[in-house]
Amino acid sequence: SQKIEQNSEALNIQEGKTATLTCNYTNYSPAYLQWYRQDPGRGPVFLLLIRENEKEKRKERLKVTFDTTLKQSLFHITASQPADSATYLCALGSYIPTFGRGTSLIVHP
Amino acid sequence: GAGVSQSPSNKVTEKGKDVELRCDPISGHTALYWYRQSLGQGLEFLIYFQGNSAPDKSGLPSDRFSAERTGGSVSTLTIQRTQQEDSAVYLCASSFVERNEQFFGPGTRLTVL
Repeated sequence: SQKIEQNSEALNIQEGKTATLTCNYTNYSPAYLQWYRQDPGRGPVFLLLIRENEKEKRKERLKVTFDTTLKQSLFHITASQPADSATYLCALGSYIPTFGRGTSLIVHP
Repeated sequence: GAGVSQSPSNKVTEKGKDVELRCDPISGHTALYWYRQSLGQGLEFLIYFQGNSAPDKSGLPSDRFSAERTGGSVSTLTIQRTQQEDSAVYLCASSFVERNEQFFGPGTRLTVL
């Protein structure tokens, strides 16, 4: 069956460092992959979408890579700030996206 | 409206009661999704509406769950004879189908006692 894996352990980093979050998947050939941010008590907010024929996409301090051979996406936040602290969800889809459980990022000042 | 709205924000009900959850999508968005999220869990897909097409109900966990979308806009998710395991946050999202990115509402937190 399709499976999406995100690290269940929180990622703790110091302000100013680059945060890297991982999304691995199996038994899946998604047409696209998305990353969302979710704050406590709120719905997810869309950040970036990368398609299967794209290797990398950037938006301001965010960078996403998509390796369909490794079946993995990496999500980077450069020059991280305490305000970046949240849970980050990856979602894969060809039709209706399937979401991972998310990884909590904590940026310490 | 500026974004997706959902009501109520919180709903506490007794086991066996029926509940209705409402979603107002962003104007012009043809696609509408319902998900639920339990504590520490990912988003579980429930149902998808696209334009006037028949909805994709493949994620509904039981026949106690149903949803409708009137006039291609507002959607209502109904849970009949609620059970304690139905307790979760129910999230609605809408999108332009061509864009894939989803805009989520704030969710309805349902607690079944």
